[in-house]
Amino acid sequence: AQSVTQPDIHITVSEGASLELRCNYSYGATPYLFWYVQSPGQGLQLLLKYFSGDTLVQGIKGFEAEFKRSQSSFNLRKPSVHWSDAAEYFCAVGTHLGGTSYGKLTFGQGTILTVHP
Amino acid sequence: DAGVTQSPTHLIKTRGQQVTLRCSPKSGHDTVSWYQQALGQGPQFIFQYYEEEERQRGNFPDRFSGHQFPNYSSELNVNALLLGDSALYLCASSHTGTRNTIYFGEGSWLTVV
Repeated sequence: AQSVTQPDIHITVSEGASLELRCNYSYGATPYLFWYVQSPGQGLQLLLKYFSGDTLVQGIKGFEAEFKRSQSSFNLRKPSVHWSDAAEYFCAVGTHLGGTSYGKLTFGQGTILTVHP
Repeated sequence: DAGVTQSPTHLIKTRGQQVTLRCSPKSGHDTVSWYQQALGQGPQFIFQYYEEEERQRGNFPDRFSGHQFPNYSSELNVNALLLGDSALYLCASSHTGTRNTIYFGEGSWLTVV
């Protein structure tokens, strides 16, 4: 069965500092991987996704993630954090359904990001 | 272009009651999934509907059922509510077969007392 582990429950960084959020996955084939962000009381917004090809993926709001098959990881990075980045971040793996369809997303527990001024 | 819309946004129910949550997918999307997100947890997959049929199901009891209509909108029904059913219920839509992005709605907050 697929699974996602986000080892860090809570991370605090200063505004302007760099950020890396860790994600490890377990999946039997080449995974479809995603990072979502959730502000308090809100739904989920997609930051970026990986299906195949270039292992360094660029997303919105200046985020990027790198897929490392050998480490089963898909860590999220941002070179300079802004106060508005404070939120909860979720890594997810998608189930292949055949062809280019994918089904359920399995999410990690999430990492809460606090940004100090 | 409206995104994924869900209703109601908040509701309170009593144990043992039944609840129906509704979802309208983003325009052009034909696949709807439902997730339960308990406080402090990541979303958990309940089921996915495509062409009015349940295509995939997570580890949820039969008390959780759903429906997809010809216009692709969907309902989530939960019977015999338990206190543990209190959560944010998220609807997500996508267009199948194209690796398109899955878009999430703002969710329906259900409190069971």
